[in-house]
Amino acid sequence: AQKVTQAQTEISVVEKEDVTLDCVYETRDTTYYLFWYKQPPSGELVFLIRRNSFDEQNEISGRYSWNFQKSTSSFNFTITASQVVDSAVYFCALDEEYGNKLVFGAGTILRVKS
Amino acid sequence: DTGVSQDPRHKITKRGQNVTFRCDPISEHNRLYWYRQTLGQGPEFLTYFQNEAQLEKSRLLSDRFSAERPKGSFSTLEIQRTEQGDSAMYLCASSQTGTGENYEQYFGPGTRLTVT
Repeated sequence: AQKVTQAQTEISVVEKEDVTLDCVYETRDTTYYLFWYKQPPSGELVFLIRRNSFDEQNEISGRYSWNFQKSTSSFNFTITASQVVDSAVYFCALDEEYGNKLVFGAGTILRVKS
Repeated sequence: DTGVSQDPRHKITKRGQNVTFRCDPISEHNRLYWYRQTLGQGPEFLTYFQNEAQLEKSRLLSDRFSAERPKGSFSTLEIQRTEQGDSAMYLCASSQTGTGENYEQYFGPGTRLTVT
């Protein structure tokens, strides 16, 4: 069975601090996909990134970066120089090869204070 | 805006009543998904369609729940004889499909159901 664990329930930082959100996953599949979504207070899930299991290159997009390590089954998300607008719930998710359903972690609440 | 839309955004109903929600996916997407999210949890998969065919249903989808996508475009999710435990946010998502590829799902704003 697939499982995603986000051990950090809530993180509070001060604006401009860097913050890393942890994600650990379990799957028996050799081909799988990992995702991060952001859920701001408005409630709508916003897609951030998709990564397949064969691509372990780290990715950077502006202030966001992702570190994928198959050896530790982790797909961590770092926000550099956090801003108040980054305050949201962040979900890590896992899907099998053919995209039947996403398995989500419980989410991490990020609060960025000015 | 051509994102996923859901209607209604909020629904309050009394226990025992039936409710129906609608989802309109992104027009070129042939996959449509329903999820349920309770407070403090991540979304949980309920069911998905490829075009008009319902290909998978979660064990969470009891026989009081039924979903349809009659013409392969919009979808409806009906809950019969609602119970207080059905109170949740019901999320719809859509995605493309492709051979050997997994495409990201785009979510709608959700329908928040409160059963009193």
